[in-house]
Amino acid sequence: KAGVTQTPRYLIKTRGQQVTLSCSPISGHRSVSWYQQTPGQGLQFLFEYFSETQRNKGNFPGRFSGRQFSNSRSEMNVSTLELGDSALYLCATSPGENTEAFFGQGTRLTVV
Amino acid sequence: GEDVEQSLFLSVREGDSSVINCTYTDSSSTYLYWYKQEPGAGLQLLTYIFSNMDMKQDQRLTVLLNKKDKHLSLRIADTQTGDSAIYFCAESSHGGYNKLIFGAGTRLAVHP
Repeated sequence: KAGVTQTPRYLIKTRGQQVTLSCSPISGHRSVSWYQQTPGQGLQFLFEYFSETQRNKGNFPGRFSGRQFSNSRSEMNVSTLELGDSALYLCATSPGENTEAFFGQGTRLTVV
Repeated sequence: GEDVEQSLFLSVREGDSSVINCTYTDSSSTYLYWYKQEPGAGLQLLTYIFSNMDMKQDQRLTVLLNKKDKHLSLRIADTQTGDSAIYFCAESSHGGYNKLIFGAGTRLAVHP
């Protein structure tokens, strides 16, 4: 069974640009959550999608958005990038509610 | 509020047991998790425990949960150099669907 796939693995962007990250869940998993990991703030929850609906959102500005498609694949978008957005972005997928969450390898975003 | 705390560092000798501790605040958490992160990688789910359990054993891993004190521990028996990594404790947020609240992580260093 394939694991959680995140693309791309690495990205370098310039301040002010926007970026889109992708997450393909394990087959049969309908919940996709996104997390930001930085040395200073640790792992922080961004948002969670289930059946194409955002069910929960963390404390991030509106520049951070996401969506989920009918095949459960999810994308997150960050607009007007800031240096502080440099981080490892991780997605986690689950088969249902409050069950095991499996993480992808992450996308490392560097904003210069 | 939701908060998870862990000690930041642990150093053990190869072959000894490691015990990583965690405290959490959300008494209504349904699941508590342990994840492992190696350099440059995503999070690997090691084990999890339901909040109505006291203990769970899985090969070299033993999880103990003291719900009264909101204390969770992970014991790794016969620790090996390959166990060197950062270990994260996480709780599922009640009513937060698949939102996980993570501790800051404990860096485990295993020396000969």
